Amino acid sequence: GENVEQHPSTLSVQEGDSAVIKCTYSDSASNYFPWYKQELGKRPQLIIDIRSNVGEKKDQRIAVTLNKTAKHFSLHITETQPEDSAVYFCAPKWGSQGNLIFGKGTKLSVKP
Amino acid sequence: DAGVIQSPRHEVTEMGQEVTLRCKPISGHDYLFWYRQTMMRGLELLIYFNNNVPIDDSGMPEDRFSAKMPNASFSTLKIQPSEPRDSAVYFCASSLGVTSYEQYFGPGTRLTVT
Repeated sequence: GENVEQHPSTLSVQEGDSAVIKCTYSDSASNYFPWYKQELGKRPQLIIDIRSNVGEKKDQRIAVTLNKTAKHFSLHITETQPEDSAVYFCAPKWGSQGNLIFGKGTKLSVKP
Repeated sequence: DAGVIQSPRHEVTEMGQEVTLRCKPISGHDYLFWYRQTMMRGLELLIYFNNNVPIDDSGMPEDRFSAKMPNASFSTLKIQPSEPRDSAVYFCASSLGVTSYEQYFGPGTRLTVT
């Protein structure tokens, strides 16, 4: 099956700094690469996604970059704010159905 | 739309009892997913359905777990008999399918088995 790894598992930054989380996957047929954010006690929610025909996508302070050759994609958060503190999951699509494989998560802490 | 609805939100039960978790997906979504989340194991996919048909149940831990989707607007996850190690947050999620793989999660059911 699909093997998904996220690094780092925890990340602490100062407010205003940038944060980068990397996700590697094993299924070369994957064609959909989302990132989910889960705040403490809440449900996971999609924050940004990218399809395999695009290398980078931005939405205000967040961006996702994709390297299909190397089979990894990354989440970039600029000008971090305390409300960015959460657990972030990558979840590449696996197989021909609509199934996503969630990574173990990265706990981001933004210190004011 | 109200989003994905799960009930109950919290469940406390004794070991050996039957537990039934319920989910109503977003209307029009073709896929329904059941996940379990714990600190130790993260977010695990238990089973998912496409158009009410179970596609992959390889994540179901053991025969004590079963899931059904009798129609497009309702699914259940049953644990019988429950054990303390089943304590977790159980999420239901739904998605449109090929046109959009985004999964919308319900609020979750926090299950505690004593």
